[in-house]
Parts: sequence; C-alpha cells; structure tokens
Amino acid sequence: AQKITQTQPGMFVQEKEAVTLDCTYDTSDQSYGLFWYKQPSSGEMIFLIYQGSYDEQNATEGRYSLNFQKARKSANLVISASQLGDSAMYFCAMREGDGGTSYGKLTFGQGTILTVHP
Amino acid sequence: DAGVTQSPTHLIKTRGQQVTLRCSPKSGHDTVSWYQQALGQGPQFIFQYYEEEERQRGNFPDRFSGHQFPNYSSELNVNALLLGDSALYLCASSREGTGGMETQYFGPGTRLLVL
Repeated sequence: AQKITQTQPGMFVQEKEAVTLDCTYDTSDQSYGLFWYKQPSSGEMIFLIYQGSYDEQNATEGRYSLNFQKARKSANLVISASQLGDSAMYFCAMREGDGGTSYGKLTFGQGTILTVHP
Repeated sequence: DAGVTQSPTHLIKTRGQQVTLRCSPKSGHDTVSWYQQALGQGPQFIFQYYEEEERQRGNFPDRFSGHQFPNYSSELNVNALLLGDSALYLCASSREGTGGMETQYFGPGTRLLVL
C-alpha cells in the first residue's frame, strides 16, 4: 500500500490566489513527521515546512501552511498569495518512528506539479 | 553557511561501467542520506550513513554501496550500471538529534544517464 498519496498530478492557480495541494499518508506509528518539499526544474529539493505528529498547532512558514488532520491522516499544503516563482513540483514526505528506530528515512509521494498563471 | 553540495552535476556512462557520486553535507550536519529519483517519480531512499557506518538501507541491490568519511562527506558507488540506473541522485544531510527527527536538507543532485 502507498504510504504517501498525492492524488493531484497537476494543479493550476492564478497569481496572488491561494492553492491547496493534497497529501494523505498511512502509518501505524504514533510518532512521525510530515514534510513538504519544492522541486524546481533545476532538481534541488527545497524544504518548505514540517509537522510533527504530536504538534497540536498547524505548522506555518511564511506563505506556507500545513493543514494537518490527524484523524483523517491528511497533511495538505496551503500556499497563500501564489507567485510565479511557486511553479514547481511539490512533494509530500513522511518520516516514521521515534528516536532510535527511524534514522530519518523519508518516504515520498509521487508529487504534484503546480503551475502559477499570471 | 554552505549548503549541501554534490559532484558532478551531470554524468554519462555506459552499461556495465561503475560510477562514484560525491556529497558534502551542510555545515554542522553529520548524517548523509542518498535518494534515487527516476523521471516523473518521487525520490526513493537508498541508504543513510552516520558515524561512517551504513545504518539504514532501502530496497536497492548491493551494486549500490557507499562510504562516509571522517569529515562527514559521503560517496555513492554504483557498479555494473544498468539502463534503469539512469536517474537524479540526491544527497540529503541532517544533524543527528533527539528522536532522529531533524530535517533533511538536499543538494542539487547528480543527473546520471546510462547509455
């Protein structure tokens, strides 16, 4: 079974509008971390935002926020006030296990290509 | 503050050859993970090095091997290259912290093409 599912192969948004990129995950661990990375055409994976499974507040980093719904096992990325430079591939990733067992291995989804129109 | 660096940026090899990719972690980081990203896919975990030892490995054959040096830099070696090894190889570094939950920061990757 897929551990990270991103159901939107591609998304389009108008500049200055908000967009939500979907991510659902599957794990039996109680302690895990959820990450979003941005990958421009150059290839580098750029860290955007992190949400820990025990964090009660949704994570925010500037224009990025993570809509974390633990019971539904979803961790959607919300980008507010989209900019042309936001056009890229976006990956949701999960790290399972607590200290001493996970060692930090990330499991990635298939990604969503975001295109921002002027 | 220097980020993660990788070399070379691009590489072309033929089937059966061997290749070595290199990674220098972000300053202050001591853990290096390697990922393979095929075209149109998400990255797949190859292995992770900490204290010069491989401590976790993904579902990759033993043609894929690595090394970590005392300065925390790392190499990924692939022997007997196959066409299917063509991919972007990403190195990520992190700092060993409580619970192993430190964020991984990625380098720009090495694009390997096997002909």
